Amino acid sequence: QSVLTQPPSVSGAPGQRVTISCTGSSSNIGAGYDVHWYRQLPGTAPKLLIYGNSDRPSGVPDRFSGSKSGTSASLAISGLRAEDEADYYCQSYDSRLGGSWVFGTGTKVTVL
Amino acid sequence: QVQLQESGPGLVKPSQTLSLTCTVSGGSISSGDYYWSWIRQPPGKGLEWIGSIYHSGNTYSNASLQSRFTMSVDRPENQFSLKLTSVTAADTAVYYCARAFSVSSKREDNWFDPWGQGALVIVSS
Repeated sequence: QSVLTQPPSVSGAPGQRVTISCTGSSSNIGAGYDVHWYRQLPGTAPKLLIYGNSDRPSGVPDRFSGSKSGTSASLAISGLRAEDEADYYCQSYDSRLGGSWVFGTGTKVTVL
Repeated sequence: QVQLQESGPGLVKPSQTLSLTCTVSGGSISSGDYYWSWIRQPPGKGLEWIGSIYHSGNTYSNASLQSRFTMSVDRPENQFSLKLTSVTAADTAVYYCARAFSVSSKREDNWFDPWGQGALVIVSS
């Protein structure tokens, strides 16, 4: 049972902009811990997309952007492409129960 | 660039011990401020952090698995390992190894990159 909640699915037409929310609480995102985002294509391992709330690793296009405010974070994908169809997960740290790294519930992005 | 590869039995009987090894290539497991980690994903479900180990040997585990969890580092072989005891069908998952890091050196702000390709472990008699 994840402590970070994401919408199960979002969809958009090619070229559109979609956003994925990641809602936490005062023991994780609200406590100031960084949020990171991963993309998981079918049958493959997750791959880092955004780190430190809003930074992109080398090779990730600037169509992907991240933000954080209060107890929530968001991932925005602009100029949606067919290859963006995947599962997306947020990740942070939760200070309860001795502390642990936690993942969001995951969001399936569908390109219409 | 650093690459990780999981290895171990794909089938484990209930009540037995799940053992997996992650081999690190392209870099030393002893260098840098990295936490070597295990994450799992049950079929069709989300990601769950299992635990992490620093090259010094300090380990951190998910509280829900702590009593069944052991991690170790083999520096000469550039490997780290996971053992999970008394497994049940609920432990059936793809197990990923990954490197955790943070530029701030605050382990709480670690992210996971890169990841291994994953190893499916089925718990069944």
